[in-house]
Amino acid sequence: EVQLVESGGGLVQPGGSLRLSCGVSGFTFSDYHMDWVRQAPGKGLEWVGRTKDKARRHATEYGASVQGRFSVSRDDSKKSLYLQMNNLKSEDTAVYYCVRVFSDRSGNDALDIWGHGTMVTVSS
Amino acid sequence: IQMTQSPPSLSASVGDRVTITCRASQGIRDDLGWYQQKPGKAPKLLIYSASNLQSGVPSRFSGSGSGTDFTLTISSLQPEDFATYYCLQDDSYPLTFGQGTRLEIK
Repeated sequence: EVQLVESGGGLVQPGGSLRLSCGVSGFTFSDYHMDWVRQAPGKGLEWVGRTKDKARRHATEYGASVQGRFSVSRDDSKKSLYLQMNNLKSEDTAVYYCVRVFSDRSGNDALDIWGHGTMVTVSS
Repeated sequence: IQMTQSPPSLSASVGDRVTITCRASQGIRDDLGWYQQKPGKAPKLLIYSASNLQSGVPSRFSGSGSGTDFTLTISSLQPEDFATYYCLQDDSYPLTFGQGTRLEIK
């Protein structure tokens, strides 16, 4: 069974740092791009960032609101995805989802498997 | 790329046919997906590449469009379909979601 399990969420003060983790099982992790998506309380979805698969040397991409503050990384040997969040702001308060990116034979992508999410609260 | 989704909310009855639209601020070919989210749950992929039905998703869901204008259609609403729906463009970085459409029971 394919599973994504996030951990590491919690309460952090503005300006602080936090590292989220996502452990995966049930598929060949190194073959997939992986994303982080977040959702502020009562709000819509926001794409945070991506680490690409092993073939693309784990290249990363970021959303505009987190560029320069957040860093996505992965350890294929541990089947784990990470999100390092620095200089946190109150507007970063959200549920953070770990997401697998599916690519079909035609090269079409989609976010096909989602974890249950972990809550991050930035407040003094 | 900005994604404008409409309507923001929609009231409908079981058995109704419902259409939700998403417009991109520039052409995105067919690089669009539709996601369903129920309260307190993670989103679920319904449609990818504008019109491809994800495995396991009921055939009453369908998607169409290319370029800048896209639609998600539910042919006959079922009780379990009342949820919030989002479009997502994956044509270029950063990926961007529509604002969501909340589908409520009339």
